[in-house]
Amino acid sequence: AQSVAQPEDQVNVAEGNPLTVKCTYSVSGNPYLFWYVQYPNRGLQFLLKYITGDNLVKGSYGFEAEFNKSQTSFHLKKPSALVSDSALYFCAVRDSGYSSASKIIFGSGTRLSIRP
Amino acid sequence: AAGVIQSPRHLIKEKRETATLKCYPIPRHDTVYWYQQGPGQDPQFLISFYEKMQSDKGSIPDRFSAQQFSDYHSELNMSSLELGDSALYFCASSHLSAGYEQFFGPGTRLTVL
Repeated sequence: AQSVAQPEDQVNVAEGNPLTVKCTYSVSGNPYLFWYVQYPNRGLQFLLKYITGDNLVKGSYGFEAEFNKSQTSFHLKKPSALVSDSALYFCAVRDSGYSSASKIIFGSGTRLSIRP
Repeated sequence: AAGVIQSPRHLIKEKRETATLKCYPIPRHDTVYWYQQGPGQDPQFLISFYEKMQSDKGSIPDRFSAQQFSDYHSELNMSSLELGDSALYFCASSHLSAGYEQFFGPGTRLTVL
């Protein structure tokens, strides 16, 4: 079964510093990996995805993620954090079922807090 | 750009009542998914539909049912509501051409009293 793990419940970073939110995955077959962000009382917003190709994936709001097959990781990064980046971040993997409507399996989430 | 629409945005019900949540996918998206997010939890997959047929089923209680209609909108019907059903219910839609990306709606917050 597919799964993702986010080892940190919370990450605290000063504004302007680089940030990393960690994610490791366990999949059978090719991984389809995603990062979503959730602001308070809001829906889930898509940040970026890895399907195939370059290991460094660039997404919305200056975020990027590095796919590392040997370490089975897909860490989310940003070179310079903004206070407005404070939110709940979910790493996710698409279930590798043959159905075109395969579900997404979410990690437990990491709360990112950026202090001014 | 058009997004996924969910209605209502907020819903308050009593125990044992019924509720119907609606989801309108992005135009031309043929797949709809329902997720439930309890307080402080990650979203959990409930059920999905592709071309109006049930495609996958997750941890959806027997008290819940759902369907996708000819215009691709979907409804989640919840009966005999329990306190534990209080959650944020997300609908997402996708199309194969979009690279498996699921686009989420704003959610319906259901409170069962």
